[in-house]
Amino acid sequence: EVQLVESGGGLVQPGGSLRLSCAASGFTFSSYEMNWVRQAPGKGLEWVSYISSGGITIYYADAVKGRFTISRDNAENSLYLQMNSLRAEDTAIYYCARVRSSRYYRASDYWGQGTLVTVSS
Amino acid sequence: SSELTQDPTVSVALGQTVRITCQGDSLRSYYASWYQQKPGQAPVVVIYDKNNRPSGIPDRFSGSSSGSTASLTITGAQADDEADYYCNSRDSSGVSLFGGGTKLTVL
Repeated sequence: EVQLVESGGGLVQPGGSLRLSCAASGFTFSSYEMNWVRQAPGKGLEWVSYISSGGITIYYADAVKGRFTISRDNAENSLYLQMNSLRAEDTAIYYCARVRSSRYYRASDYWGQGTLVTVSS
Repeated sequence: SSELTQDPTVSVALGQTVRITCQGDSLRSYYASWYQQKPGQAPVVVIYDKNNRPSGIPDRFSGSSSGSTASLTITGAQADDEADYYCNSRDSSGVSLFGGGTKLTVL
């Protein structure tokens, strides 16, 4: 059974940092691309970042570029999101999601339950 | 930058057919995926690629695409289908996009 479990969320002051983790199990983690997606309270889904299976190709949403860093440890079956210079508008539930793709599509086929990040003084 | 546009709300009578649409330039090159999200739950993919349903998704859900518009059709909507639906696609630069979401009400 595919499982994705996020951790590391919490309350942080504006300008602070937080590192989210996503523990993967039930599939060959090193063979899959991964996404981080967030959802602000009462709002829609917002894609945050993507990383290829080997960690070579990385993309970020403009809203987080230069502040967030995605990474992965395939030996530990883990995905990470280092978040720096946090702002109130980064307050959201952060989901990690497994990606399935071809040259014609990219979809998130399994999602974790999310971890809540609250940026407030 | 690229955008995906969805109608904020759609309603359908129980047992009838409803189409939820998503518009965006990236859809001319890439297929949309569609996600169902119920309150307090993580999203679940219902359609991906041209028109693929993951195991466990009822066959009343189907997807289609024409030009810059992707559609999710629910044929014979059930009360359990009441949820928020999001489309998602990548664009040519590699980034991903979500539509703003459509709240489906089953009457």
